[in-house]
Amino acid sequence: NAGVTQTPKFQVLKTGQSMTLQCAQDMNHNSMYWYRQDPGMGLRLIYYSASEGTTDKGEVPNGYNVSRLNKREFSLRLESAAPSQTSVYFCASSEAAPLKQTGPTWAQHFGDGTRLSIL
Amino acid sequence: AQSVTQLGSHVSVSEGALVLLRCNYSSSVPPYLFWYVQYPNQGLQLLLKYTSAATLVKGINGFEAEFKKSETSFHLTKPSAHMSDAAEYFCAVRRSGAGSYQLTFGKGTKLSVIP
Repeated sequence: NAGVTQTPKFQVLKTGQSMTLQCAQDMNHNSMYWYRQDPGMGLRLIYYSASEGTTDKGEVPNGYNVSRLNKREFSLRLESAAPSQTSVYFCASSEAAPLKQTGPTWAQHFGDGTRLSIL
Repeated sequence: AQSVTQLGSHVSVSEGALVLLRCNYSSSVPPYLFWYVQYPNQGLQLLLKYTSAATLVKGINGFEAEFKKSETSFHLTKPSAHMSDAAEYFCAVRRSGAGSYQLTFGKGTKLSVIP
């Protein structure tokens, strides 16, 4: 029962390099999310995809792009990495239930994260 | 807009003592509130959530939280701390309106348990 799987787990980049973080879920969820976690800042939403074929900006989208490849997969791309993007990145998924249907099963489920350092 | 504030970035308790982690919310509509736990080098795991069915919510690992509308609070408690409870805890609220798929997280409270 894998849940949400992120690859890679660790990565070191040089400033200006590009890379793609991969995320896949096997829970048949429609909605997927990318967050970054920085010390003392909690989790901040970068982008999300409410359903296959749609993506929307979150709180901190600058410097990132996303692709919802299919229902299972949602990737995050850094086109030109900057030291300020050093962070731990988390992918999450959930059912696509409207707010009033936040029933007992609705929650976001998280992967184990990708620890990214940019030198 | 919905938001949550966690009081105390770091809380230390002795093993066996009461755990109390504070979360206050701000919301113009009935909130949907969550507590997540993050163990070192792991992702976030759902502890419990409030979805208006009951004001006292029981979660995993002996944790519970009480929704108090008059105090706009959703504090997390556990009667007796265990060493394995050492982790970071995040309170979150589900947003309403156009961003209703989003969770807004507090900045987190790191719990240390002293033997």
